Formats: sequence, structure tokens, C-alpha cells
Amino acid sequence: KAGVTQTPRYLIKTRGQQVTLSCSPISGHRSVSWYQQTPGQGLQFLFEYFSETQRNKGNFPGRFSGRQFSNSRSEMNVSTLELGDSALYLCASSLDPGQGSGELFFGEGSRLTVL
Amino acid sequence: AQSVTQLGSHVSVSEGALVLLRCNYSSSVPPYLFWYVQYPNQGLQLLLKYTTGATLVKGINGFEAEFKKSETSFHLTKPSAHMSDAAEYFCAVSSLSGNTPLVFGKGTRLSVIA
Repeated sequence: KAGVTQTPRYLIKTRGQQVTLSCSPISGHRSVSWYQQTPGQGLQFLFEYFSETQRNKGNFPGRFSGRQFSNSRSEMNVSTLELGDSALYLCASSLDPGQGSGELFFGEGSRLTVL
Repeated sequence: AQSVTQLGSHVSVSEGALVLLRCNYSSSVPPYLFWYVQYPNQGLQLLLKYTTGATLVKGINGFEAEFKKSETSFHLTKPSAHMSDAAEYFCAVSSLSGNTPLVFGKGTRLSVIA
């Protein structure tokens, strides 16, 4: 069974640009969560999508947005990039919320560098 | 609101020594508890989890953790450290309802000295 796939793995952008990251969950998983990982802050929750609907949202500015498609694949977008957005963005999928144990299955992440 | 505190951002042990990584949680409802491991340039991998039942949980690579409700703790241990255990370890908590996001601690970097 294929794991969670994130693309691209690495990317470099400049301030003011925007970026779109993609995540394909494990087959059969309908919930996708996104986390931002930085050395100082650890893993911070961005948002969670289930059946194309945003179920939970973390405390990030509106520049951070996401969506989920009917095949459960998800994208997140960051507009007007700032230096502080440099981070590893992790996507995780899980079974239907409330039916599983809450275990998340993570991809290898997309490492974003903003210059 | 749920929260997780990991005591010690960096722990260093000798090869063959006991590994003890500390985790305390705060949750107003019965929690699910997890330990994840992250190797360099990789995503997180589940080590073990506590949902219900036996409070001593065994995971992969010889790790185990004990859920102590009275102490709100879920410390991770391994009797004998191996060089390959060097990684970052994250404790996490979620609620039984599954309606809240998984909340992570800030992580503990484990170094193993030969």
C-alpha cells in the first residue's frame, strides 16, 4: 500500500511569491491534515480536511489556505511569502475521524525555503 | 484544550544505556497518546500508541511507554540504546472523539554516543 506522497520535496521561493504544495493520502484515507514544522516552534497544526470540507483550522494567517478534492488529494497554498514561512510542511492522512484511533500517517514533507 | 510538554529538548545517552524521554499531557477528556519518531529529512513515523486497555504499550524497535493517568504522563523508554535510535521524538495527544487535531510536543532530540 502506497504511503502519503507529498510534492514537491524541496522548493525555493522569494518573498512575495506564492506556493502550492500537494499531498496524496493513503488509499482509503479521507482525512488530510497539514502541519508546519520549524526548529523553534515544533509541529504546528495548520488545517484538516475531511470529505472536501475544512474540519479544523489552526492559528495561522489567511495567507495560508488549503483545499481537498473529491479523490481526497489535498493542496495547501501560501500567498505573499515571508521569510518566516521557511519550514518543513508535513501532510498526514488518517481514517475517518471518530472511527480510528486518531493515528496519523505522515508524508516526508515539502521543505520550503523563502529567500 | 489539550497540550503536551516534553521535558528536555535534547537528551544524550551512551550506546547500551537506558533511554528515557519524558512526556506530560493536559487533556480535559480521556486521551489517545502517541509517540512518533522523525529521522533526518523524513516525515514522522509512529512508534507506539495508547488508546484504551493495558497502560503499558509496546512499540517498534524495542520502545515502550506507560500511561499513568494520576501523573498525566506517557514517558517513552528503551532498555538499551542503539546508535540507530538517534532521531527526534515527538509525543502527541488527541481526544477519543477524534474531532480535535493531534497536538504535538516540541520534540526531544536523542543523541546516542558510542
